[in-house]
Amino acid sequence: NAGVTQTPKFRILKIGQSMTLQCTQDMNHNYMYWYRQDPGMGLKLIYYSVGAGITDKGEVPNGYNVSRSTTEDFPLRLELAAPSQTSVYFCASSQGTGFSSYGYTFGSGTRLTVV
Amino acid sequence: LAKTTQPISMDSYEGQEVNITCSHNNIATNDYITWYQQFPSQGPRFIIQGYKTKVTNEVASLFIPADRKSSTLSLPRVSLSDTAVYYCLVGDGGDKIIFGKGTRLHILP
Repeated sequence: NAGVTQTPKFRILKIGQSMTLQCTQDMNHNYMYWYRQDPGMGLKLIYYSVGAGITDKGEVPNGYNVSRSTTEDFPLRLELAAPSQTSVYFCASSQGTGFSSYGYTFGSGTRLTVV
Repeated sequence: LAKTTQPISMDSYEGQEVNITCSHNNIATNDYITWYQQFPSQGPRFIIQGYKTKVTNEVASLFIPADRKSSTLSLPRVSLSDTAVYYCLVGDGGDKIIFGKGTRLHILP
């Protein structure tokens, strides 16, 4: 059971370039999330999805886009990369609401540097 | 969304019991309390979850008083490998969950 898989693990982008961070989960979880974590800081929610075809903004959505065409995949798109987007990006999934069902499973992260 | 407040950092020694308290004064009736552990360069890992009273698993215990306005994560006999950031989250999983800055726990030999 792979859990949550993120690719790539590392990436260097030039200012103004675009890229897509991939996230796939094989647990049939309805809920998926994208967080970013700057050095020494906590996680900030970028976007989340409660099911295929449904997405919503988190705390810091500017400069990012997401889509959720399937239950398994939740890609994060960066358009016109900026140095402020240098961060570690984590994807997570959860079963949904209710006790013992909403514990998150996180991926191993994508370390992105924009130069 | 229930906001949480935790100490920014704590130090302890190997073999000691560590208690990290989280304040969540505006917790809602449907909210659960969940703690996560994060090591450097890794995603957070679920530790324990509770609603009221006490919950214990193989890793930790979670104490929640009757008013549920706070909770305490207890790590028994810590080792150097318990050095990590610990996050307290409150919610019912049905909405966006906001992580705070967590508590940076440093275990000394």
